[in-house]
Order: sequence, then C-alpha cells, then structure tokens
Amino acid sequence: DQQVKQNSPSLSVQEGRISILNCDYTNSMFDYFLWYKKYPAEGPTFLISISSIKDKNEDGRFTVFLNKSAKHLSLHIVPSQPGDSAVYFCAADSNYKLTFGKGTLLTVNP
Amino acid sequence: EAQVTQNPRYLITVTGKKLTVTCSQNMNHEYMSWYRQDPGLGLRQIYYSMNVEVTDKGDVPEGYKVSRKEKRNFPLILESPSPNQTSLYFCATRQYNTGELFFGEGSRLTVL
Repeated sequence: DQQVKQNSPSLSVQEGRISILNCDYTNSMFDYFLWYKKYPAEGPTFLISISSIKDKNEDGRFTVFLNKSAKHLSLHIVPSQPGDSAVYFCAADSNYKLTFGKGTLLTVNP
Repeated sequence: EAQVTQNPRYLITVTGKKLTVTCSQNMNHEYMSWYRQDPGLGLRQIYYSMNVEVTDKGDVPEGYKVSRKEKRNFPLILESPSPNQTSLYFCATRQYNTGELFFGEGSRLTVL
C-alpha cells in the first residue's frame, strides 16, 4: 500500500512559468514533509520542508503548501528555470521514518 | 565539508558472490539508512539505524544485512546477491533535530 503518492510521473513546463508538483499521502501520522531533487548520477538533495503545523513554507523560488484535511502537498517553483529539470521526490516523516513517493520528472524547456 | 561516502560507486557481479557496499559519514549523525531506487518505484528503504548497535528493517530488507559497529559507518551486505538486487543504492544520514536526510552519491549494482 503506497502511503505517499506522486501521481504524475512527468511534467513539462516552459522557462519562466510556474511548475506545480503534487503529492498525496494516506497516513495521518505523518508530521513532517520534505521535497528532494535528484539529478542523474547524483544522490537526492534536500530542497524544502514543511511541518504539519504549518500550511506554507517559502524559500526563494520554492514554496511548499500543505493541506492537511486533503492530505495533499504541493511544490511550486516560480519562475521555473532549465536548471530545475530533475526528478522531484516528495517524502513524509513519521517517527523519524521517511517514506518517499515514486518521483516526478520535471522538464523545463528553454 | 559534510559528506556521505559510498563505495564502490559501480559494481558488476555474479549471482551468489557476497559483496559489501560501504557507507561512511563525517557529520556525527546518529541516524543512517539505506535506500534502493528502481524505475517506477522511487526510493525504498532497506534498513536503517538509529544509533550504534541499533538496526531495524525498512520496507524491503529481504536479501540484505547491515551492521552499525561505529557511528560513522553503516555497510550494506549482500550475502548471496541475486539479479533482482540489481539497483541503484543510496546511503543517507540524518540528525534528529531536523528532518533533512543527507544522501551519498549512490552505488549502481548489477548482478548477473
């Protein structure tokens, strides 16, 4: 049973536009959520996180929104840049155990 | 510089030949973990360790062993590798007061 779902395997956007990556979860015990970015041949790197007591966290071009009632979070990238092209993993934490989604491949076209 | 170092980065081996993938960290983190990444399946946790001499199974522990004799090292052992263990493996560490995992660069393992 997949507890963290990223239903879009891929997303393509134009440079300068907004990228919105979505993630749904089923376990209400998750209390911390993170987004990781992964380039080919590299390990995932931390991007941004949000605690379950918040509904928004912003860091530069990246904003994560959390809707606890819908068990949904999203990552917004504005404006998108070609260097943002990568696989993005959503992860949810419960008692120090991180569960990852399957990832979404974002392609930002120049 | 904070680092998580895995070795080897690439390995081709044959079924049944025992191998070990090493992981070492210099951040003094208590928590260490192993993941495998497979196409269409994302990152799945194999084993994790909350501290020295404490290890627990993750979501896909079958066919793997780990040990945590010292804080900085967390090797992944495949006693008798099989082709379904062909994958990209990541070691990661974490400090308890933050949620952030630090990943190594990955070890691509092929079992023939």
